Amino acid sequence: DTGVSQDPRHKITKRGQNVTFRCDPISEHNRLYWYRQTLGQGPEFLTYFQNEAQLEKSRLLSDRFSAERPKGSFSTLEIQRTEQGDSAMYLCASSLGGLAGGPDTQYFGPGTRLTVL
Amino acid sequence: SQQGEEDPQALSIQEGENATMNCSYKTSINNLQWYRQNSGRGLVHLILIRSNEREKHSGRLRVTLDTSKKSSSLLITASRAADTASYFCATVIGNQGGKLIFGQGTELSVKP
Repeated sequence: DTGVSQDPRHKITKRGQNVTFRCDPISEHNRLYWYRQTLGQGPEFLTYFQNEAQLEKSRLLSDRFSAERPKGSFSTLEIQRTEQGDSAMYLCASSLGGLAGGPDTQYFGPGTRLTVL
Repeated sequence: SQQGEEDPQALSIQEGENATMNCSYKTSINNLQWYRQNSGRGLVHLILIRSNEREKHSGRLRVTLDTSKKSSSLLITASRAADTASYFCATVIGNQGGKLIFGQGTELSVKP
């Protein structure tokens, strides 16, 4: 079991640049989630996919943010025209999806720490 | 916006003591989960309690849930220095799983 992996682990960029992060979920998991966490706060939900379908997007996900999961496996999160306020840890999680409405345990990756200068 | 509030925000204890963290939330939930996060790293799932359960145990962890008060507590017994981390409660609303809504966390420091 290789767990959820994220790449890169750290990214420093200048304001106005575009960045893209990748998440590889646990192989048999059909759900994939993105969260953002700022210092001293709990993670905040951004979006999630079931297979390749993006089922929910938070209002936090402005037009500058886009996420994809083209083949229902790995996912990318792109931020265009980065702003200093985008500096945060971006966390990815995956799950099997709740069976028959049951609980859905999410397994988190190590995160990508973004710093926008 | 975040659903939960955690109390205390920070807790410092000696090794061997028990640590209790509380979480309150605002809306009805399907289940409530507790996660641990070591400094600057990803979250590790600890325990899940469903809305129709009142208490659950896992090793040195004990979680209670009071849906009438919309609150939960996490008790870590016989704490160890390795328990030093931030602890978050997270709620799931509805019956399809889906997004977690996290509290702001309790920062636990266990001194050897």
